[in-house]
Amino acid sequence: AQKVTQAQTEISVVEKEDVTLDCVYETRDTTYYLFWYKQPPSGELVFLIRRNSFDEQNEISGRYSWNFQKSTSSFNFTITASQVVDSAVYFCALAYNNNDMRFGAGTRLTVKP
Amino acid sequence: ETGVTQSPTHLIKTRGQQVTLRCSSQSGHNTVSWYQQALGQGPQFIFQYYREEENGRGNFPPRFSGLQFPNYSSELNVNALELDDSALYLCASSLADSSYNEQFFGPGTRLTVL
Repeated sequence: AQKVTQAQTEISVVEKEDVTLDCVYETRDTTYYLFWYKQPPSGELVFLIRRNSFDEQNEISGRYSWNFQKSTSSFNFTITASQVVDSAVYFCALAYNNNDMRFGAGTRLTVKP
Repeated sequence: ETGVTQSPTHLIKTRGQQVTLRCSSQSGHNTVSWYQQALGQGPQFIFQYYREEENGRGNFPPRFSGLQFPNYSSELNVNALELDDSALYLCASSLADSSYNEQFFGPGTRLTVL
């Protein structure tokens, strides 16, 4: 079965703290893609990153970094020096079978000034 | 480059009615996917259309149907509305017929069924 688990329902941090959002996935497919999306209060999902199952390189983009580990089926997302504008719901998603996509339940991040 | 737009923003219907939601894809994107997002949950894949044909479907009954038009617009139709259909409906467009590609999401239509 295809499944994405985001165990952290809500996280609250103070500005400038680092925060890691966890994502664990399940799939029997050997070819799949993992995504992170951000959903601000406006409702529109904003693409953050895509990673395919054959590329385990970690990635850093500004204050954002992602750690993909196939051995633990995890694709965690870290925000360094968080800012108030980072407050949103973050979704991890698994794309498989070429046209199916499974989202996790999301983690609501609140960054307080 | 124009983003993905959806209409209407909000909609209230009663149980048993039918509803049509509309989406205008990003220019040049030949694939559109529709998702249902219940309150406090992640989006659930309804179906995908590629070049006006259904190209994949999630676990939704046949009363959820869609259309895609050559002008990059599309529709989601829901018949015989049920209370559980209350949700945010998101459309997303992409360049190719694969969920592996980055999808560009619209702001959604919030449907309330009374």
